[in-house]
Amino acid sequence: NAGVMQNPRHLVRRRGQEARLRCSPVKGHSHVYWYRQLPEEGLKFMVYLQKENIIDESGMPKERFSAEFPKEGPSILRIQQVVRGDSAAYFCASSPAAESFYGYTFGSGTRLTVV
Amino acid sequence: AQSVSQHNHHVILSEAASLELGCNYSYGGTVNLFWYVQYPGQHLQLLLKYFSGDPLVKGIKGFEAEFIKSKFSFNLRKPSVQWSDTAEYFCASGGATNKLIFGTGTLLAVQP
Repeated sequence: NAGVMQNPRHLVRRRGQEARLRCSPVKGHSHVYWYRQLPEEGLKFMVYLQKENIIDESGMPKERFSAEFPKEGPSILRIQQVVRGDSAAYFCASSPAAESFYGYTFGSGTRLTVV
Repeated sequence: AQSVSQHNHHVILSEAASLELGCNYSYGGTVNLFWYVQYPGQHLQLLLKYFSGDPLVKGIKGFEAEFIKSKFSFNLRKPSVQWSDTAEYFCASGGATNKLIFGTGTLLAVQP
């Protein structure tokens, strides 16, 4: 399967714990995007990364959230000290280049529930 | 700043009815436009996209969209919907080298 792989599909965390969400892009895609989906709010851009670089993190909350896309391995979205408001679906997408006309290929998402 | 507006939040149609979902974007430069569909519990899938040429774009599953530059619109249409079209539909825009900005989505329910 050459699609975007996200894991885990479902993640339950207690308040104060850390959540790590993983995303492996389509083979050959070097551009990764993270979006958060909340009911009635659609998809909100969080961060855009290329290998080893954060290009645009204008949608990331200033605290507790971080993202990386190392030279080897998947992209990681990390949420420290989770709160109930972090409960959402987190989608990763990848594209082969920066130009937006390529569009994105999306993963199946990670549904985070904070209890 | 770029923004995308989808004015229909919930749409309910009977099978065989015609569909039109509105989408307006705000970016004034060269723009690429997309419609994605999300079936219940699944990831987003690309329905169609526009980046140049014929403003009437045909996509998968009988969907089409028309780019009207003067109205900053990119409405999605289908002449006859099916129950299997029940899903959430997202319009998105991107500049020449920008990230994609998504609208809030339209939930379509097709009644058999």
